[in-house]
Formats: sequence, C-alpha cells, structure tokens
Amino acid sequence: AQSVTQPDIHITVSEGASLELRCNYSYGATPYLFWYVQSPGQGLQLLLKYFSGDTLVQGIKGFEAEFKRSQSSFNLRKPSVHWSDAAEYFCAVGGDTSGTYKYIFGTGTRLKVLA
Amino acid sequence: GAGVSQTPSNKVTEKGKYVELRCDPISGHTALYWYRQSLGQGPEFLIYFQGTGAADDSGLPNDRFFAVRPEGSVSTLKIQRTERGDSAVYLCASSLAIRSPLHFGNGTRLTVT
Repeated sequence: AQSVTQPDIHITVSEGASLELRCNYSYGATPYLFWYVQSPGQGLQLLLKYFSGDTLVQGIKGFEAEFKRSQSSFNLRKPSVHWSDAAEYFCAVGGDTSGTYKYIFGTGTRLKVLA
Repeated sequence: GAGVSQTPSNKVTEKGKYVELRCDPISGHTALYWYRQSLGQGPEFLIYFQGTGAADDSGLPNDRFFAVRPEGSVSTLKIQRTERGDSAVYLCASSLAIRSPLHFGNGTRLTVT
C-alpha cells in the first residue's frame, strides 16, 4: 500500500523568501504524485501533478515540484512567497493497491507568511 | 463549468441520529471519492466509486457508514447512529477517469453533539 509523509507540520517564511515543502512517499511502482493547497474553509485545489516524463513539473501560482525517485521525494518549491500563499499544503500519491486505485494524502504542512 | 457540489455545507446533529451527506460530481466524471478530514489532519480515504459500483470501500470505519451512487452521478454518504467521534469535514472528489487528478468540493462539516 502507498503512504505519504510530510515531515514539517508548520513552516513560517517571510514574504519574498523562497519556500520548499517536503514530501516523501512509499509505493512499489512509479507513483502518480500531486500537491494540493487548502485555504481556510475551502476545498482542496490542485497545484500540480506528476505522472511521468520530466521530473520537474510546473504548477499554478508559480509553484514547481521535483520528483526524485532515488529519494522517494516530491518536494514543492516556490522562489518567492506571497502573503496569499498562506494555507495548508497536502502531498498525495495515487497508485494501484490490490486491484483498485486510491489517492493517499499526507497530514499536511501549514504555511505561515510573515509580512 | 460547475465544480463538485456538496450539501449541506454544515450539519449539526445529535448523537445517535442518522445523517445523509450529498455529493454532486462534475458532469462526466466517472470516478467519485469520499474522504474524511479531522482537524489538523490530511484527508482520510473512505470509499471510491467507479460508475455505480463501490470499487473500494476499505476506508469506511465501520458498518454505520454506507455510501451509494445509484445512477453513476450523485452520491450520498450515510451515517447511522452518529457518534461524537464522527465529527469532521467530509470531502467529496471526482475525477474524469482513474489516474486523473481529483477535483474536490468544499466539504460538509459534520458536528455531532
């Protein structure tokens, strides 16, 4: 079965600083990987996805993520954070388990942005 | 176009009561998922449908939880004899097909008093 670990529960950065949110996954084959963002009172919005091909993927709102198979990681990055990026971020892995397909989410990283 | 719609947005019920939570997926999306999100946690998988059938219900916590999708579109999550521990946000998501990204609704916040 697949699993996802987001080691950082909370991260605080200053506006304009760079950001990296960590995600490690466990899955026996090539996974489908996703990052979602959740603002207070809102549903989850897809930031970006990795299925295959180029290991550096670009998403919305200036985010990117890099798939590193050797490290089982899919870290999310942004070169310059904006105050509106304050939210909770979830990494997810999709995969086939016992003949069915499921998406498993990490516990999330809450991002705080200082003015 | 219209996104995933969940109703009600909030539901307060007394312990022991029965509740139904509704999900209207994006038109044409064949896969539908239910998740539960407790405070400070990530979404926890409950069940997913491919068409009308439940392809995987391994995440349902116990037999008080049941979900249906009779015509392959709208789905209802049903909880019998609610308990205070059932209080959470219940999220619904749909996808165009298996292995496509999930599109989430805003959730139903269930509070059991």
